[in-house]
Amino acid sequence: AQSVTQLDSQVPVFEEAPVELRCNYSSSVSVYLFWYVQYPNQGLQLLLKYLSGSTLVKGINGFEAEFNKSQTSFHLRKPSVHISDTAEYFCAVSINDMRFGAGTRLTVKP
Amino acid sequence: DGGITQSPKYLFRKEGQNVTLSCEQNLNHDAMYWYRQDPGQGLRLIYYSQIVNDFQKGDIAEGYSVSREKKESFPLTVTSAQKNPTAFYLCASSSRQGFTSPLHFGNGTRLTVT
Repeated sequence: AQSVTQLDSQVPVFEEAPVELRCNYSSSVSVYLFWYVQYPNQGLQLLLKYLSGSTLVKGINGFEAEFNKSQTSFHLRKPSVHISDTAEYFCAVSINDMRFGAGTRLTVKP
Repeated sequence: DGGITQSPKYLFRKEGQNVTLSCEQNLNHDAMYWYRQDPGQGLRLIYYSQIVNDFQKGDIAEGYSVSREKKESFPLTVTSAQKNPTAFYLCASSSRQGFTSPLHFGNGTRLTVT
């Protein structure tokens, strides 16, 4: 079965700085990959997805992620964060079911 | 606007009582899911349903039950057999059966059992 590991539970960063949230997965077959964002006391919203094709995927709110098959990674990046990006971010991998990582709490400080 | 409605937002129950969480979608999606979220553990799948009148257990189905009598509705019952029911419960749906399409989530129900 597939699994997903988010390498950082918390990432503090200053406003307008770049950020990378790391995600590694394990699977013996091809997978579909997703990043979701969760604001306090809300459900999850899709940021971006990788199903096939170009390994660089652009999503909403200026986020992008790069699929690296050899390193089994799908890291999320944003070149300049805003206070409003403060939220919890979840990486997910899907084959026969969808497995979520434990989440990374991004805190953007002024 | 189409979406998923979970109600209530907050729910309080005494230990030993069964409680049912509501989930309704107007997205015309075939598949629906229930996840449980605990701090630091991500989301864990409780039950899912690919079509009406059919559902499958997820990783943590013990102490929970579901029904899927209508395409739009997928209620979750937390029974008294669930040892640690206090959690944030999220309902989701997707347009295709299987897990290859993105999930659309409701805003969750926070259940507290004392």
